[in-house]
Amino acid sequence: GAGVSQTPSNKVTEKGKYVELRCDPISGHTALYWYRQSLGQGPEFLIYFQGTGAADDSGLPNDRFFAVRPEGSVSTLKIQRTERGDSAVYLCASSAGAGSQETQYFGPGTRLLVL
Amino acid sequence: DAKTTQPTSMDCAEGRAANLPCNHSTISGNEYVYWYRQIHSQGPQYIIHGLKNNETNEMASLIITEDRKSSTLILPHATLRDTAVYYCIVRGGSSYKLIFGSGTRLLVRP
Repeated sequence: GAGVSQTPSNKVTEKGKYVELRCDPISGHTALYWYRQSLGQGPEFLIYFQGTGAADDSGLPNDRFFAVRPEGSVSTLKIQRTERGDSAVYLCASSAGAGSQETQYFGPGTRLLVL
Repeated sequence: DAKTTQPTSMDCAEGRAANLPCNHSTISGNEYVYWYRQIHSQGPQYIIHGLKNNETNEMASLIITEDRKSSTLILPHATLRDTAVYYCIVRGGSSYKLIFGSGTRLLVRP
């Protein structure tokens, strides 16, 4: 079946602009996660959704970052007033549930470059 | 979740077994050991996970020591396409986050 998909695959924007990154999880997966990966480092957790609600957004770096999942499927990560330090790969993952036995499956990521 | 320690890099010859170690000496009883890998410019790929028994699937085998303080991921016949960063992650009973360390950069040589 189809895996996690993310669009766009690459995004170049200018400092101060607003961007939206989209994630389509595996069909039927109730849990969805966003991670951010800076060059040379492992992914870092940003936010976790169970259904439509954000169950944990403790990893969001500041209030310029916001994510939604209005119908419990597709999610959008929104970044306002982008800064050069926001440049990274933004990864989305989904799982059938959220327990420690539930495997998270990742998408290919969106590479964001803020000039 | 318990912290993990992995070698920074390893290499092996194509066709040979690749044995990737991971130390997780502070692991507690309800924590699973997960392995993911990340091939250049791709998202992390799930490989295998286990609690205390050894596990095997079509990609790899996971050997967990009896005291659960360490584990080894075995790729039985490494190919060039197995060149990647391999992450060992310990994940607790109610934990939904994956906490990635720096991983092991595996280079498979022709």
